[in-house]
Amino acid sequence: GEDVEQSLFLSVREGDSSVINCTYTDSSSTYLYWYKQEPGAGLQLLTYIFSNMDMKQDQRLTVLLNKKDKHLSLRIADTQTGDSAIYFCAERGGGYNKLIFGAGTRLAVHP
Amino acid sequence: EADIYQTPRYLVIGTGKKITLECSQTMGHDKMYWYQQDPGMELHLIHYSYGVNSTEKGDLSSESTVSRIRTEHFPLTLESARPSHTSQYLCASSVVVGADTQYFGPGTRLTVL
Repeated sequence: GEDVEQSLFLSVREGDSSVINCTYTDSSSTYLYWYKQEPGAGLQLLTYIFSNMDMKQDQRLTVLLNKKDKHLSLRIADTQTGDSAIYFCAERGGGYNKLIFGAGTRLAVHP
Repeated sequence: EADIYQTPRYLVIGTGKKITLECSQTMGHDKMYWYQQDPGMELHLIHYSYGVNSTEKGDLSSESTVSRIRTEHFPLTLESARPSHTSQYLCASSVVVGADTQYFGPGTRLTVL
């Protein structure tokens, strides 16, 4: 079945790069997404990538997609304390184009 | 910035009460969704709608019901709230073009005593 997996925690020092990894199982996924959730808030779309792309860059964010290994990563350059949040990976698949979410990676940024 | 709103943001209510969680979007999106999320955990789809008068159940069984009488409005109702309904409820909407990106509201945190 469809499944999305992420590591649960990541701790980085302010100014370093963060890399959040995600694996998915549905090879027919057309789009993959990264969302950010701050405490007590809804999900904010950060970026998405179409499945025929290998990489997408948007300011401090770089998304890498390895379709062969079904592996997606989000790199945040020059990580700041404001980047502390939970990051959700999601794939679009299923009969009605539903989103399948991972459990989220909690990013902690320390001085 | 997506224009999708949820009210109330926080609700504490006693067992057995009927409640309606409101969700509205001003983007003219056809598709709308309700997710249930325990704090810091993954999201589970409980209801979705393709458009007016269309509602479907999602992956996670839920005792709640939804209606879609107007494009912009997708309320969720619990006829008799129970402590097991305590959770965060997130509403989202999307337009079926390109990436069909879902935009989320701020959520309603429900506590049933």
